[in-house]
Amino acid sequence: GENVEQHPSTLSVQEGDSAVIKCTYSDSASNYFPWYKQELGKRPQLIIDIRSNVGEKKDQRIAVTLNKTAKHFSLHITETQPEDSAVYFCAASITQAGTALIFGKGTTLSVSS
Amino acid sequence: GAVVSQHPSWVICKSGTSVKIECRSLDFQATTMFWYRQFPKQSLMLMATSNEGSKATYEQGVEKDKFLINHASLTLSTLTVTSAHPEDSSFYICSALGTSGSFYNEQFFGPGTRLTVL
Repeated sequence: GENVEQHPSTLSVQEGDSAVIKCTYSDSASNYFPWYKQELGKRPQLIIDIRSNVGEKKDQRIAVTLNKTAKHFSLHITETQPEDSAVYFCAASITQAGTALIFGKGTTLSVSS
Repeated sequence: GAVVSQHPSWVICKSGTSVKIECRSLDFQATTMFWYRQFPKQSLMLMATSNEGSKATYEQGVEKDKFLINHASLTLSTLTVTSAHPEDSSFYICSALGTSGSFYNEQFFGPGTRLTVL
């Protein structure tokens, strides 16, 4: 089955700096790669996603890149703000098969002002 | 967007009792729902895939006789934790898979249920 590795587990940056979180996946059939932000005690919130027919996607300060050959994808947050502090999870699934999302272990991002 | 609800949002029970958690898709039909468990400071771990009208598929290491799943309609899946023990205390989150239109094959998460077993 799918296995998703995520690094780093914790990341501390100064406000205004960029943050990068990286994930690798094992199943070459996976074609959907979302990123979630989770605040304590709440459900994960989808912040951006990318499908395997696209190499990069951007939404304001957030961008995701995908390298299918290497089976890795990354989240980039620019101009970080204190409210970006949260736990971020990457995930992977095979959309046509309707499979569950398999999550990475998460990255705790702390943005200090 | 699609809305998924869970009930209850939190529950405290005594060891040995059973607890039922409901997951509902409110504005779309979901033939497939997923149940995840999340321990403090850990990731979401898939427990099982719930399919409407058929038996659930459990992940390795998840006891199907302990975590009973029933998906009796296109909008409701239930997870029953039987004979709960303190080690079952966790955050249980469901997600529903959209089946048509703009929701097709997208997963929508419920708000989660915090279970505490004393």
